Amino acid sequence: AQKITQTQPGMFVQEKEAVTLDCTYDTSDQSYGLFWYKQPSSGEMIFLIYQGSYDEQNATEGRYSLNFQKARKSANLVISASQLGDSAMYFCAMRVPDVSAGGTSYGKLTFGQGTILTVHP
Amino acid sequence: EAGVAQSPRYKIIEKRQSVAFWCNPISGHATLYWYQQILGQGPKLLIQFQNNGVVDDSQLPKDRFSAERLKGVDSTLKIQPAKLEDSAVYLCASSRKGRETQYFGPGTRLLVL
Repeated sequence: AQKITQTQPGMFVQEKEAVTLDCTYDTSDQSYGLFWYKQPSSGEMIFLIYQGSYDEQNATEGRYSLNFQKARKSANLVISASQLGDSAMYFCAMRVPDVSAGGTSYGKLTFGQGTILTVHP
Repeated sequence: EAGVAQSPRYKIIEKRQSVAFWCNPISGHATLYWYQQILGQGPKLLIQFQNNGVVDDSQLPKDRFSAERLKGVDSTLKIQPAKLEDSAVYLCASSRKGRETQYFGPGTRLLVL
């Protein structure tokens, strides 16, 4: 079974500083994908960044980067130059192939418990 | 490009009543997902459609929940009868194919009294 663990219930950061949100995962699959989503108080899940298990370089998207350490099974999100609008819940998620009698499907995301990030002015 | 649309945004019902949620995915997205997010937890997949066929409904409480995706576009999730523990946010997501990035709608917040 797949499992995602986010050990930080809450994090605080000063505006313009960098912050790292931790995520560890557990799977026996060799092929998997790791995602980070942001969920503001409005409730919508906003896709931030993706890392494939075979990607050799860490993913980056603007101020977001994913520190992927495969041997340690960690996929930490780094937000540089924090802004007040970054205050939200952040979820790490994993997707693995689902092999069933009908074939292989991809899609189901397994989410962690989330980390609430608060950016102080 | 328009995002995933959901309605209603909020719903309050009493236990044992029925309720239905609607989702319109991003145009051209073949895969549609319904997730349940209980307060303080990450979302949990209820059902996944590929076009109008069900791919995964292993965590759908089939005695009270049902979902359909007629014509492979819009989808409806129904709860009948509702229980107190169904209070949650119901998120709809879509992707072009199952192995591509999922994009979420704004969700429907359900409160069962």
